Amino acid sequence: NAGVTQTPKFRVLKTGQSMTLLCAQDMNHEYMYWYRQDPGMGLRLIHYSVGEGTTAKGEVPDGYNVSRLKKQNFLLGLESAAPSQTSVYFCASRSGGPGTGELFFGEGSRLTVL
Amino acid sequence: GENVEQHPSTLSVQEGDSAVIKCTYSDSASNYFPWYKQELGKRPQLIIDIRSNVGEKKDQRIAVTLNKTAKHFSLHITETQPEDSAVYFCAATLRDTGRRALTFGSGTRLQVQP
Repeated sequence: NAGVTQTPKFRVLKTGQSMTLLCAQDMNHEYMYWYRQDPGMGLRLIHYSVGEGTTAKGEVPDGYNVSRLKKQNFLLGLESAAPSQTSVYFCASRSGGPGTGELFFGEGSRLTVL
Repeated sequence: GENVEQHPSTLSVQEGDSAVIKCTYSDSASNYFPWYKQELGKRPQLIIDIRSNVGEKKDQRIAVTLNKTAKHFSLHITETQPEDSAVYFCAATLRDTGRRALTFGSGTRLQVQP
C-alpha cells in the first residue's frame, strides 16, 4: 500500500530550466493538492484538483502549472525555474466532499534552484 | 485575502507540562479544523480534527477546542513527552478555495525538554 508517492525526491535546477514533479496516489481519491513548504511560512497551496481533468489555483500559483489527466496522477510543472521556487514540495490527496476528510501527504520533494 | 494565523511560532516546555497552541481564522463560515504534526524530515500527519458543530474533542493526551464566535481554535497537549517534539500546523477550509482545500497556519515548533 504505497499511499501518495512523489518523484523525484530531490532535484537541483539552474535558473531558467524546466521540470515536472509527479504525484501518484493509489487510494482512488478525488481531491489532490500541491503545497510548498518554506521555513516560517507553513504549507502554502499552489494548485489543486477536485477530479480528473480539473485544476484550480491556490494561494501561490504563479510560475507553476498543473495537469490531472488521470485520476491517480497530479503533475506540477515549472516552466522556467527561479531561485524563489527553492522549496520542499508536498503532494496530498483526500476523499470526501468539500471541506472534509484527512489529507494524506507524500514524502516531499526538495527542489533547489541555483 | 483570507488566512489562518497561528501562535506561538516556537514553544518550549518541560516533559510532563501542558502545551497550548492557538489559531484564528477569517472565514466565519469555515466548518472544518484539523491539526497536523510534522516530525523532522517527515511528512505532515493528521493528529486530530474538529467540525464546527462541536466545541471540544479529545483523543487521549490531545484535545482541540473551538470558539466559533471568536473564530479561534486551540490544540492542547497534556503530560507532554519528548516524542511530542515536532512542528504542529493548524488548518481551516476557507471561502476562497470553495472550502475544497485546507489553508494552513505558519506552524509551531514544539520542543519538549526531558
